[in-house]
Amino acid sequence: SYELTQPPSVSVSPGQTASITCSGDKLGNKYTFWYHQKPGQSPVLVIYQNNKRPSGIPERISGANSGNTATLTISGTQTMDEADYYCQAWDGSTALFGGGTKLTVL
Amino acid sequence: QVQLQESGPGLVKPSQTLSLTCTVSGDSISSGDSYWSWIRQPPGKGLEYIAYIYYSGSTYYSPSLKSRVSISVDTSRNEFSLTVRSVTFADTAVYYCARVWSSSWAFDPWGQGTLVTVSS
Repeated sequence: SYELTQPPSVSVSPGQTASITCSGDKLGNKYTFWYHQKPGQSPVLVIYQNNKRPSGIPERISGANSGNTATLTISGTQTMDEADYYCQAWDGSTALFGGGTKLTVL
Repeated sequence: QVQLQESGPGLVKPSQTLSLTCTVSGDSISSGDSYWSWIRQPPGKGLEYIAYIYYSGSTYYSPSLKSRVSISVDTSRNEFSLTVRSVTFADTAVYYCARVWSSSWAFDPWGQGTLVTVSS
């Protein structure tokens, strides 16, 4: 079965750039989606179809997808960006989620 | 702006059936531009897709849960529902409902989630 792999944790200093990866076999051939989830809250869509931002999501959040890896990049990271981030893709009619990455800003 | 709200019992006994409802407000389930889905998250763990449905009744299930779950829609009440049969402790989770846009295939937005605990 198809799997998406994310690093369990990523740390970044305030103002620096954070990159969170999501790996899967030929993932670049699929659309990738990213969600963030803050403690006690529901997931929120931050990137769809690899690199598109929903309204209200700042431009400093971007996405890319090529080969076997999709990457979520957060520029000028702020403490408010601290959250769990999940990648997601579709394998036919089945949605798949990565295991999630905890982004720590310190 | 569409909003989704999950409802159902917070406690279910092992081997029993779990039933949840998601009420949609701010848009019609029958609008045809979306599918309607369920996702769950065990405490302290990641997200797991369960199923989604179209207003016409077409259903799609996670292969790993297909044998125990059912999803249905009631367009007259603007609601859709999830049933999980023969629950075990492993079914303890926060259950979310979410909209799936047919134009983008993104889950957006999500409901606030409801915690279901399986315990005797």
